[in-house]
Amino acid sequence: DAGVIQSPRHEVTEMGQEVTLRCKPISGHDYLFWYRQTMMRGLELLIYFNNNVPIDDSGMPEDRFSAKMPNASFSTLKIQPSEPRDSAVYFCASRDRRTSGANVLTFGAGSRLTVL
Amino acid sequence: GENVEQHPSTLSVQEGDSAVIKCTYSDSASNYFPWYKQELGKRPQLIIDIRSNVGEKKDQRIAVTLNKTAKHFSLHITETQPEDSAVYFCAASILKTNAGKSTFGDGTTLTVKP
Repeated sequence: DAGVIQSPRHEVTEMGQEVTLRCKPISGHDYLFWYRQTMMRGLELLIYFNNNVPIDDSGMPEDRFSAKMPNASFSTLKIQPSEPRDSAVYFCASRDRRTSGANVLTFGAGSRLTVL
Repeated sequence: GENVEQHPSTLSVQEGDSAVIKCTYSDSASNYFPWYKQELGKRPQLIIDIRSNVGEKKDQRIAVTLNKTAKHFSLHITETQPEDSAVYFCAASILKTNAGKSTFGDGTTLTVKP
């Protein structure tokens, strides 16, 4: 298995532009999480899905952020319009609670976003 | 909701010495405590975890202890090596619920000096 795959790995954009981050979870994993990492705030959970359904989006900072999971193998995190304070590394993680019996997260490599 | 505090934020040790990182949690229902290691520019990866039905778990040079009464758990690294240098995150979550989200501590940057 190739693990959790995220794209793009790096994105530099200008303030006001739309940003779309993509994630492909590990096949068979039924949970998908989006985290944001910054020096100031550490690892913050933005939203997570179970079987493609959003369960908790209380961590989404503002209406400018939205996330979708149209099927079991794909999720997007969109920021529109982007602002400089959105600059961070965004991690996607997936988990298979059924087989592991534990909440072990497998993280993707992250998408480093810089908003100028 | 759950709140996890982690100390210290930075830790510097000499190669061969031991390192201890401590975390406290607030939700007494939390029963699963993983530790993740994040090397510079890389993704967090699980290194060890512990469930609330045990007090200690070891894996070679790393060990984790849990005190449910006090609601704190610790990561112990013995005989540290330069490759142990990384950011370490503790987390707390509740198993076997549909919640299942992990709350992370703020991380500890460990530097092992050769």
